[in-house]
Amino acid sequence: DIQMTQSPSTLSASVGDRVTITCRASQSISSWLAWYQQKPGKAPKLLIYKASSLESGVPSRFSGSGSGTEFTLTISSLQPDDFATYYCQQYNSYFTFGPGTKVDIK
Amino acid sequence: EVQLVESGGVVVQPGGSLRLSCAASGFTFDDYTMHWVRQAPGKGLEWVSLISWDGGSTYYADSVKGRFTISRDNSKNSLYLQMNSLRTEDTALYYCAKGGWLPWDYMDVWGKGTTVTVSS
Repeated sequence: DIQMTQSPSTLSASVGDRVTITCRASQSISSWLAWYQQKPGKAPKLLIYKASSLESGVPSRFSGSGSGTEFTLTISSLQPDDFATYYCQQYNSYFTFGPGTKVDIK
Repeated sequence: EVQLVESGGVVVQPGGSLRLSCAASGFTFDDYTMHWVRQAPGKGLEWVSLISWDGGSTYYADSVKGRFTISRDNSKNSLYLQMNSLRTEDTALYYCAKGGWLPWDYMDVWGKGTTVTVSS
């Protein structure tokens, strides 16, 4: 089974900050990685697929990079609507989500 | 508008059974793989099961294999999850999610979820 880890688990930031979240896979998953945003009481929302492809309608301040076992999600300038929990997910072999990174207000 | 609406979540005793449903609209349902994903209270996301566009292929997480059965009725644009031998650890919010044309793809649309509580 492929295991996913994320760091940090919690991130405190201010509006306007550049934020980076790291996701690591226990074995190579090529670029078969997605990022989701989840707000309290809401369903997850797809942000990024295939490691770096931006889902339609998602603001361009979100970007993804990486391949193999190490990936990053970057928010170039944090906005009030971005305070949420972010999950990475591999879909190379079955499906595994990372434990999540909560982005809260500093 | 693409929409997924789950239903069927209730409180059930350990060992009991339950069937969840997901009604899809706004897209060509029988073109896509469909998934169930769950989230225990205060926890992260756990993939549960997928079914191919035609129902011919199904896959399950080890945690539910042999107890849960996924199915679909393309004539009704509906997805189902039959849950048997329920355990307290199955307590979660269950989401229906739309996948891609192929089984191994990301999930681009999610429902709001239906809550299953397994408790005596």
